[in-house]
Amino acid sequence: DAGITQSPRHKVTETGTPVTLRCHQTENHRYMYWYRQDPGHGLRLIHYSYGVKDTDKGEVSDGYSVSRSKTEDFLLTLESATSSQTSVYFCAISEGGSAFFGQGTRLTVV
Amino acid sequence: GESVGLHLPTLSVQEGDNSIINCAYSNSASDYFIWYKQESGKGPQFIIDIRSNMDKRQGQRVTVLLNKTVKHLSLQIAATQPGDSAVYFCAENPGGYKLIFGSGTRLLVRP
Repeated sequence: DAGITQSPRHKVTETGTPVTLRCHQTENHRYMYWYRQDPGHGLRLIHYSYGVKDTDKGEVSDGYSVSRSKTEDFLLTLESATSSQTSVYFCAISEGGSAFFGQGTRLTVV
Repeated sequence: GESVGLHLPTLSVQEGDNSIINCAYSNSASDYFIWYKQESGKGPQFIIDIRSNMDKRQGQRVTVLLNKTVKHLSLQIAATQPGDSAVYFCAENPGGYKLIFGSGTRLLVRP
């Protein structure tokens, strides 16, 4: 998986609680991405980063925030989880061409 | 808005036959395209890519064709094997650092 580790791999949380997902890479790639995957929607971009402390919104960014304080780590935070955020979350890294994906985090909000 | 779509949500083929998975893209400014394979419970895996200055690119048992005139992309898999059963996504880069994905096609290989 191109040196990408997502944690946790599975999480169940309650509505209204904050949740942080972590993506760690060992490839020193400049670009990092968070996608969510839902049936019938494919992969949708939440946020991405083009460098340390440089981030931007994707197509489904509402309810999510991100931070990148180091090249190797990209954090995705759900400030107050909702049931609509139940999904599988994928982190990806890139050097500007194709992106390589982690194994995913399955998040269930109950 | 920008979108990447697929003609066939499910494709069933006989083992040993060739498979063709199609994809239509809407952004004429896109200059880079990728095919990914996703097996159950795993992240998408890069298969092959192509830039807009090419119309064909071959890999091991796979070929990607790009028709910019009609904004169409296809993935051809030769001698399809059971291990090819998965969901296949096309993705486009319309500029910048983002990849936009289609909703996927499931390939089922019959023994």
